[in-house]
Amino acid sequence: AQSVTQLDSQVPVFEEAPVELRCNYSSSVSVYLFWYVQYPNQGLQLLLKYLSGSTLVESINGFEAEFNKSQTSFHLRKPSVHISDTAEYFCAVSAARGSSASKIIFGSGTRLSIRP
Amino acid sequence: DAGVTQSPTHLIKTRGQQVTLRCSPKSGHDTVSWYQQALGQGPQFIFQYYEEEERQRGNFPDRFSGHQFPNYSSELNVNALLLGDSALYLCASSLQKHTEAFFGQGTRLTVV
Repeated sequence: AQSVTQLDSQVPVFEEAPVELRCNYSSSVSVYLFWYVQYPNQGLQLLLKYLSGSTLVESINGFEAEFNKSQTSFHLRKPSVHISDTAEYFCAVSAARGSSASKIIFGSGTRLSIRP
Repeated sequence: DAGVTQSPTHLIKTRGQQVTLRCSPKSGHDTVSWYQQALGQGPQFIFQYYEEEERQRGNFPDRFSGHQFPNYSSELNVNALLLGDSALYLCASSLQKHTEAFFGQGTRLTVV
């Protein structure tokens, strides 16, 4: 079984400041890792994913996350945030089963609030 | 491509009633999964359908059931509604052999 822990329920930061949202996971098998973003009153959008290969993955809007197997972490970072980044961010994991789609296990979320 | 569409967007039901939520997957996708997201929490996996069969199930009671149709669309049924069933219900579609899931906007169910 897999589990995900998001260490911060809320992260307030000033606009143009850097931010890190922390995520740790637990699993007895190899996993795929994801970050999803949820804007108010909307569904989930995939921000970035780690499947294999390079441990550093990037999104098109400046976020990046690094898979650290030894620390079982997948922290999300952005060097300079914008007001538009205000949202709920969910770290998620699924078992790496190559032949079939696995269920996704989500963390409890981190609310990122940007102050001008 | 319309993406994943869910209906209705909002719904209010009374305790003890039954409800049906609907989902149309992204074009070309054959797998549909349902999630429950209670207020202030992350989504919880309910079940997954592929080839019109339930393939995986999370820790939800039998009051939660589903169906997948030949066109890959899906329904989620909840019987004997409880106040605690109030939540955002999310549908996600994917290809069975792929890892990326696309989510709909969700159905907000309120049980009074």
